Amino acid sequence: GNSVTQMEGPVTLSEEAFLTINCTYTATGYPSLFWYVQYPGEGLQLLLKATKADDKGSNKGFEATYRKETTSFHLEKGSVQVSDSAVYFCALKWANQAGTALIFGKGTTLSVSS
Amino acid sequence: EPEVTQTPSHQVTQMGQEVILRCVPISNHLYFYWYRQILGQKVEFLVSFYNNEISEKSEIFDDQFSVERPDGSNFTLKIRSTKLEDSAMYFCASSFDRELILRSSPLHFGNGTRLTVT
Repeated sequence: GNSVTQMEGPVTLSEEAFLTINCTYTATGYPSLFWYVQYPGEGLQLLLKATKADDKGSNKGFEATYRKETTSFHLEKGSVQVSDSAVYFCALKWANQAGTALIFGKGTTLSVSS
Repeated sequence: EPEVTQTPSHQVTQMGQEVILRCVPISNHLYFYWYRQILGQKVEFLVSFYNNEISEKSEIFDDQFSVERPDGSNFTLKIRSTKLEDSAMYFCASSFDRELILRSSPLHFGNGTRLTVT
């Protein structure tokens, strides 16, 4: 079946460090891929998305590239800030299915210290 | 920017009681969803709703659960007889997909209702 696997957290970084959160997926068909972020006490917010192979999603300094050959969608940021501390969820949504929702990974907690 | 709103933010109930969680999706959206997140665990899909009927549901969404869109704006999740293991954060979401083949439209989430069953 369709699934998303994220690297285990927590990830602890100092401000201005480079961030990578790995995400791989298993899916039939051609999924769209998303990263959502959950700040403490808040709901899930869309961070970025990519809808086809080789697409790069980007927002707020975060980037992720849809790699079909490695079935991956790793999240990266060149210089993290304390305000980036949150839980990050990789998710997929696939085509050719009516009424289909997102499937989430387990989430990776990022903690950035100054 | 329009947003999905959920009420209440926190609901405490006793085991066996019925609860209704309320959501107001973004007004021009057509698909509606409920997810839950048990503390420390992954976000799990419960149900999706389109054109006034359930379009898909997970194995979690058993006979104790029901959804309704009672008017043009609200979308509710009812748990008929709550159990301790229903304690979780429940998220409502909506999306604007028009086509049956859904792919790229993101889901917009509310801030969630924390349900505590004692």
